[in-house]
Amino acid sequence: AQSVTQLDSQVPVFEEAPVELRCNYSSSVSVYLFWYVQYPNQGLQLLLKYLSGSTLVKGINGFEAEFNKSQTSFHLRKPSVHISDTAEYFCAVSPPDTGRRALTFGSGTRLQVQP
Amino acid sequence: DAGITQSPRHKVTETGTPVTLRCHQTENHRYMYWYRQDPGHGLRLIHYSYGVKDTDKGEVSDGYSVSRSKTEDFLLTLESATSSQTSVYFCAISGPDSAGELFFGEGSRLTVL
Repeated sequence: AQSVTQLDSQVPVFEEAPVELRCNYSSSVSVYLFWYVQYPNQGLQLLLKYLSGSTLVKGINGFEAEFNKSQTSFHLRKPSVHISDTAEYFCAVSPPDTGRRALTFGSGTRLQVQP
Repeated sequence: DAGITQSPRHKVTETGTPVTLRCHQTENHRYMYWYRQDPGHGLRLIHYSYGVKDTDKGEVSDGYSVSRSKTEDFLLTLESATSSQTSVYFCAISGPDSAGELFFGEGSRLTVL
């Protein structure tokens, strides 16, 4: 079984500042890793995903994440945030394509961008 | 956007009443999921389906049942709603070429009084 820990429930940051949202996972097998974003009163949409290959993954809206196998982490970063990035962010894992595709989610990090 | 429709989007009901939430997809995807979202818990898997009449339990399945008689529809039923089932429910789908990615509906907010 897999589990995901998002270390920060809320992250306040000023506009144009850099931000890092932390995610650690636990799994006895290799995993796929995902970051999703949820804007108020909406469903979740994919920001980026790591399946294999390069450990630095670039996503939409200027976000990127780095897979670190030794530290079992997949932290999300953005060099300069905008007010519009205010949302809740979820890290998720799934086992590789073995037929079971359900994602296990972390508890979420609320990013609050202040002017 | 993935063609996923959840209904109803909002519902208020009383303890002990049955409730059915519907998820309808137009993508012909094989896999469908029901999650619930609660503050501090993220999203937790209730039930999932790998095809018509092929369903299985997730981590928080107690008090819920599901049915999938057609590829496009996945129903979540609360036989006797309780206040602890007050939540936002999300349906998600994925297909064989999705590489693990799930596509989510807009959510159904259920309040049990």
